[in-house]
Amino acid sequence: SQKIEQNSEALNIQEGKTATLTCNYTNYSPAYLQWYRQDPGRGPVFLLLIRENEKEKRKERLKVTFDTTLKQSLFHITASQPADSATYLCALVYSGGGADGLTFGKGTHLIIQP
Amino acid sequence: DARVTQTPRHKVTEMGQEVTMRCQPILGHNTVFWYRQTMMQGLELLAYFRNRAPLDDSGMPKDRFSAEMPDATLATLKIQPSEPRDSAVYFCASGRNLLGYTFGSGTRLTVV
Repeated sequence: SQKIEQNSEALNIQEGKTATLTCNYTNYSPAYLQWYRQDPGRGPVFLLLIRENEKEKRKERLKVTFDTTLKQSLFHITASQPADSATYLCALVYSGGGADGLTFGKGTHLIIQP
Repeated sequence: DARVTQTPRHKVTEMGQEVTMRCQPILGHNTVFWYRQTMMQGLELLAYFRNRAPLDDSGMPKDRFSAEMPDATLATLKIQPSEPRDSAVYFCASGRNLLGYTFGSGTRLTVV
């Protein structure tokens, strides 16, 4: 079965630096890869989507890369701020056969220290 | 902003009781998911609807869980009978096609 790996340990980054989070998967590549942010006591919030034929996607201070050879996505937050502290989840979307629900990693807890 | 509404926000129930969770997806969204989140397992997909038709409920314990969409404005998730191991946060999410999805605030279920 498909396995998604995100760094389970908290990532501590100093304010102003670039935070880089990793999402690795096994087996076959998804049609889409999505990144979500989750704050305590709240549901995940969609941030960015990248398709399997795209290498990079940007949105303001966020950048996502997708390498189907390495079976890996990197999520970057530049000029990080304490307000960026949250848990970040990657999710894979598979297309075909109708069963294309989202499969989530367990998330990486990011802490931006002032 | 449009939002996915889930009720109740919190539910404490005794083992063996029936639990019903409700979700109002965003108008115009054709895809609805039910997820369960625990510290150990993370987010687990329970059920998935497209245009109100169930497409995948393989993640759901069929003997006690059921998910339905009686109309486009309501999705329900029932547990009968509930067990302590069902304690978790249950999320509903909606979206269009394969693009980004909007999650509700969740129902925190505690079965004692």
